[in-house]
Amino acid sequence: QKEVEQDPGPLSVPEGAIVSLNCTYSNSAFQYFMWYRQYSRKGPELLMYTYSSGNKEDGRFTAQVDKSSKYISLFIRDSQPSDSATYLCAMSVQGGGFKTIFGAGTRLFVKA
Amino acid sequence: KAGVTQTPRYLIKTRGQQVTLSCSPISGHRSVSWYQQTPGQGLQFLFEYFSETQRNKGNFPGRFSGRQFSNSRSEMNVSTLELGDSALYLCASSFDTGTGELFFGEGSRLTVL
Repeated sequence: QKEVEQDPGPLSVPEGAIVSLNCTYSNSAFQYFMWYRQYSRKGPELLMYTYSSGNKEDGRFTAQVDKSSKYISLFIRDSQPSDSATYLCAMSVQGGGFKTIFGAGTRLFVKA
Repeated sequence: KAGVTQTPRYLIKTRGQQVTLSCSPISGHRSVSWYQQTPGQGLQFLFEYFSETQRNKGNFPGRFSGRQFSNSRSEMNVSTLELGDSALYLCASSFDTGTGELFFGEGSRLTVL
């Protein structure tokens, strides 16, 4: 079993839709929860970051962490074609540096 | 501010050969991590270096190795290449404090024939 599970999709939605992306994990030691976005032929870039359980909102993006269920989510409101990318969840624990583990990534297509 | 630079961007090798990939981190970042990205497995952690020492290691065979120099630049080496080593190899640098946010390069795409 992988430490972090993420449905690879692809997920196709119309412009303006609300998108929900999710990951589950097995290691209860994870402290930091992140979402990275990766455009084609580019490296991933940090989109959202959350420490421990709770919600965090940034513009059209909302990240949720439920440590009791070992479940994290990313919501994208009013999705745009420019949101078409691969979204990777990532989790890390600090101890002798950060060890960050990524999910497989979900490929998202937003159709105009 | 320059980002993470990886060279070469693309390369083709044959089975049995070896390859060395290079990574220059963002100025001031002392931690450098390497990841292998494939369509089937996603991003898999190879190893992390800090101050010229390997601090964390993933579950890859000994054919995969790396090192870090005093200026924080890092190299990774894959010996006795196999077809399954074809992948995008991503380098990421970070501060060692705070959130540990990773800043990625654009990767080196390796094809093994």
